Amino acid sequence: KAGVTQTPRYLIKTRGQQVTLSCSPISGHRSVSWYQQTPGQGLQFLFEYFSETQRNKGNFPGRFSGRQFSNSRSEMNVSTLELGDSALYLCASSLSSGAGSQYFGPGTRLTVL
Amino acid sequence: DQQVKQNSPSLSVQEGRISILNCDYTNSMFDYFLWYKKYPAEGPTFLISISSIKDKNEDGRFTVFLNKSAKHLSLHIVPSQPGDSAVYFCAATSGAGSYQLTFGKGTKLSVIP
Repeated sequence: KAGVTQTPRYLIKTRGQQVTLSCSPISGHRSVSWYQQTPGQGLQFLFEYFSETQRNKGNFPGRFSGRQFSNSRSEMNVSTLELGDSALYLCASSLSSGAGSQYFGPGTRLTVL
Repeated sequence: DQQVKQNSPSLSVQEGRISILNCDYTNSMFDYFLWYKKYPAEGPTFLISISSIKDKNEDGRFTVFLNKSAKHLSLHIVPSQPGDSAVYFCAATSGAGSYQLTFGKGTKLSVIP
């Protein structure tokens, strides 16, 4: 069974631009969560989607948004990029039985210059 | 304010000995706790979890202990193996079905052969 895939793996953007990251969950998984990992703040929950609906959202500004498609693939978008948005963005998928059943992807490393 | 704290950024242990990783939390609403392991260039991998109705949970070489009154949990790895060398994250949430995890900043474990 293929794992969670994230594209692209690495990305360099400049301040003010926007970026879209993609996550393909494990086949059959309907829940997709996004996390941001930075050296200063560690791993922080962004949002979780299930069946195309956002169920939970972390404490991030509105510049961070996401969506989920009918095939459970998910995208997250960050608009008006700031230097502090440089981070590893992790996606995790689950069959919808709680965080203990989540499988994480390898992440997308975003660098904002 | 950090609600989940891992006060030791790093830990070195001899192969075959016990590794003890600690985690403290401040939010009384947390009732489900998880440990993840992360290798470089990979996403976190779920290791073990514990509900607040228990004070201990075992899975092979891994045991998690929860002290609710002290708001403290620990992960014991016995015996430690070189392949256990990784960054370990403690996470907490409200409800086993939740995906909105609050993570500690991680402890880097090095198991010395």
